[in-house]
Amino acid sequence: AQSVTQLDSQVPVFEEAPVELRCNYSSSVSVYLFWYVQYPNQGLQLLLKYLSGSTLVESINGFEAEFNKSQTSFHLRKPSVHISDTAEYFCAVSERGGGSNYKLTFGKGTLLTVNP
Amino acid sequence: EAGVAQSPRYKIIEKRQSVAFWCNPISGHATLYWYQQILGQGPKLLIQFQNNGVVDDSQLPKDRFSAERLKGVDSTLKIQPAKLEDSAVYLCASSLASGVGYTFGSGTRLTVV
Repeated sequence: AQSVTQLDSQVPVFEEAPVELRCNYSSSVSVYLFWYVQYPNQGLQLLLKYLSGSTLVESINGFEAEFNKSQTSFHLRKPSVHISDTAEYFCAVSERGGGSNYKLTFGKGTLLTVNP
Repeated sequence: EAGVAQSPRYKIIEKRQSVAFWCNPISGHATLYWYQQILGQGPKLLIQFQNNGVVDDSQLPKDRFSAERLKGVDSTLKIQPAKLEDSAVYLCASSLASGVGYTFGSGTRLTVV
């Protein structure tokens, strides 16, 4: 069975500082990896995803994540954060070629708080 | 394209009452999911449908929760009777059968008092 561990439940940073949100996964087969963002009182929005190809994937608002197969990690980074990046971030995994069972399994989330 | 539609957005009920949530997935998406997100936690899968058949309901509390997906399109999730610990946001999502893209609805926030 697949599982996701987000190592930090809360990450406070100052505006314009770099940030890394850590995610490790466990699966017996190859996986697809996702980062979702949830702003206060809003639904889940896809931030970026790794399906295949380049292990470094980027979002339109400056976030990037790198798939590391040997370390089973998919950490999310941003070189300079803004106040508006304050939100809950969820790492998620689904298994490739899982027949009809393409369920998405989530980590517990990391609350990123950007302070002025 | 239209997103995943859910209703109602908010619901407050007393414990032991019943409640139902509705979801309309993206047209053409064969797979539909119901997730429960308790405050401060990640979403937990309750049930997964492939067309109108159940693929995974291993974490659905079947003594009080039920779900159906009529004709492989819309879906309803019901809780009867509700408990205080059922207070959560119930998220519906849909995807193509390939499992590479999931679209979530805005969710229904349930408060049981």
